[in-house]
Amino acid sequence: TQLLEQSPQFLSIQEGENLTVYCNSSSVFSSLQWYRQEPGEGPVLLVTVVTGGEVKKLKRLTFQFGDARKDSSLHITAAQPGDTGLYLCALQRGSSASGTYKYIFGTGTRLKVLA
Amino acid sequence: EAQVTQNPRYLITVTGKKLTVTCSQNMNHEYMSWYRQDPGLGLRQIYYSMNVEVTDKGDVPEGYKVSRKEKRNFPLILESPSPNQTSLYFCASSLYGQGALRTNSPLHFGNGTRLTVT
Repeated sequence: TQLLEQSPQFLSIQEGENLTVYCNSSSVFSSLQWYRQEPGEGPVLLVTVVTGGEVKKLKRLTFQFGDARKDSSLHITAAQPGDTGLYLCALQRGSSASGTYKYIFGTGTRLKVLA
Repeated sequence: EAQVTQNPRYLITVTGKKLTVTCSQNMNHEYMSWYRQDPGLGLRQIYYSMNVEVTDKGDVPEGYKVSRKEKRNFPLILESPSPNQTSLYFCASSLYGQGALRTNSPLHFGNGTRLTVT
């Protein structure tokens, strides 16, 4: 069972359109990170959301953390070909007692923006 | 330039022939980890290390070994590779190690190693 479910899995849109991708979990999480991965490269952090209901903006990208902290969304306004890539959500999961933690990633949304 | 460096970028090998993928970071990060990326399965953590000489299994550790003798290096070893280990591998590092749960420190990734085992 995947801890983090992302949807849609694939998305192909025309330049200028708006889109939203989702990251959902059955568990509450304390924070969530969003990464973007371009072809041939490793993922790069876009943003971290921490507070339930939080909204963060990064130019044309708007990130929202659900009030119950079980879901998050990424909205892109007026998509451009440069937005093409794999969008991944991730969280830290671990033990406060042991002090160890690991990262869990969602399956990703592969976005293609056509010129 | 601050970076995570993996080598090689591409590797084709045969079943059973031991191989090592190197990973080095120059940011003095405590936390280092290895992932494999497969279509439809996303990034899955193989091993991670909170600091020097401290390593732990991730979600898919079978068939892999790691070591952390120095802070900057975290090699991934496949003692006897099999075709089901054909995948895209990423090394990543993060500033904080043990005791840093919920610091939200981001992962910095290398550019990946595409491994094919025939």
